[in-house]
Amino acid sequence: DARVTQTPRHKVTEMGQEVTMRCQPILGHNTVFWYRQTMMQGLELLAYFRNRAPLDDSGMPKDRFSAEMPDATLATLKIQPSEPRDSAVYFCARGTFGWNGGYTFGSGTRLTVV
Amino acid sequence: TQLLEQSPQFLSIQEGENLTVYCNSSSVFSSLQWYRQEPGEGPVLLVTVVTGGEVKKLKRLTFQFGDARKDSSLHITAAQPGDTGLYLCAGPSGSNTGKLIFGQGTTLQVKP
Repeated sequence: DARVTQTPRHKVTEMGQEVTMRCQPILGHNTVFWYRQTMMQGLELLAYFRNRAPLDDSGMPKDRFSAEMPDATLATLKIQPSEPRDSAVYFCARGTFGWNGGYTFGSGTRLTVV
Repeated sequence: TQLLEQSPQFLSIQEGENLTVYCNSSSVFSSLQWYRQEPGEGPVLLVTVVTGGEVKKLKRLTFQFGDARKDSSLHITAAQPGDTGLYLCAGPSGSNTGKLIFGQGTTLQVKP
């Protein structure tokens, strides 16, 4: 099972700046999830896609967050403008339609907004 | 709303000790999964349990799914420092969505 690569691994940015996080490879038939992890909230689902179509992004603050799949192997999560409360570790995960196969997580992007 | 509650939240033990971590819910789940997360990495799937009462073993780790499919436990025998990490249980949210909800996790520290 191919690994999921997230870039960048770490990002420090100033409040108000745009942040783009990338996740690949994603196979076209899989389901892609974006999670945010903090000490207080644990793993929170932000959005997920299947076959490049967004299925649910209700966990995301839509005024500043956007999630897309520009092509069949790449998923992106963008924050514009970023705020200090967005500081967290962001994970993407690849799942199979028969979900008992479990998720394959990336190593995460640790975002710090100062 | 489906919730998964894990206990304890934090566990610090000496190498060689046994421990059990619990994952409980008031909702019935069709299956539950356990993940382990090491610092600086994403969670890694350990096991999926799908049948009420099911017991699965992975070396020194024993996973059990409750008969009513509302709870699960993870038992580690003779813990080793390499077992240190965050243990997360997860279950499907909704029907056939592929979406998982996660418990808050149990942080395990095994001291040599």
